[in-house]
Amino acid sequence: AQSVTQLGSHVSVSEGALVLLRCNYSSSVPPYLFWYVQYPNQGLQLLLKYTTGATLVKGINGFEAEFKKSETSFHLTKPSAHMSDAAEYFCAVGRRGSTLGRLYFGRGTQLTVWP
Amino acid sequence: ETGVTQTPRHLVMGMTNKKSLKCEQHLGHNAMYWYKQSAKKPLELMFVYSLEERVENNSVPSRFSPECPNSSHLFLHLHTLQPEDSALYLCASSQDLPGPGNTIYFGEGSWLTVV
Repeated sequence: AQSVTQLGSHVSVSEGALVLLRCNYSSSVPPYLFWYVQYPNQGLQLLLKYTTGATLVKGINGFEAEFKKSETSFHLTKPSAHMSDAAEYFCAVGRRGSTLGRLYFGRGTQLTVWP
Repeated sequence: ETGVTQTPRHLVMGMTNKKSLKCEQHLGHNAMYWYKQSAKKPLELMFVYSLEERVENNSVPSRFSPECPNSSHLFLHLHTLQPEDSALYLCASSQDLPGPGNTIYFGEGSWLTVV
């Protein structure tokens, strides 16, 4: 079975500071991994995804995430936060080989950016 | 614009009402999904359609009835809902069912309040 744990439902950083949003997963087979962002009153937008190959994945808006198999983690980072990064971020896991449209989502982390 | 359009954006309905949520995707995708997003809960997959055939019904109560008349349109018919069904309902689509090359694209959601 797959599950996703996002440590910290709320993260606050100052503008210009490092952003680190944590995601750990459990999966019986090597997973596909995703980060989505949800701005207020909007749907989810894909930030980045890992499927295979290079374990450091770069996404939109300066975000990146690194797949660490030994730690079963896929933490999201951005070197310098911007006010426009304030949103809710969701980590998701898809099961490799699955023929069903199932992504397992974490509960989300609300990112607040202070001026 | 996300390419996945949902209407209405906001809906208030009584428990005895019948209403429908509509989703249209302009991306030429073959798979469509309904997700439920409740406060303090992970996103829940409700239904998956691939090439207009339902491939998964994730133990959703029968008061929710999906319809997929063609690959571009997806409906969620609502009948005798309960207050706990109040949530954000997200429609999504992907080229095919999730896999290495396929990303799920979300609409902006329909906020449903059951009174």
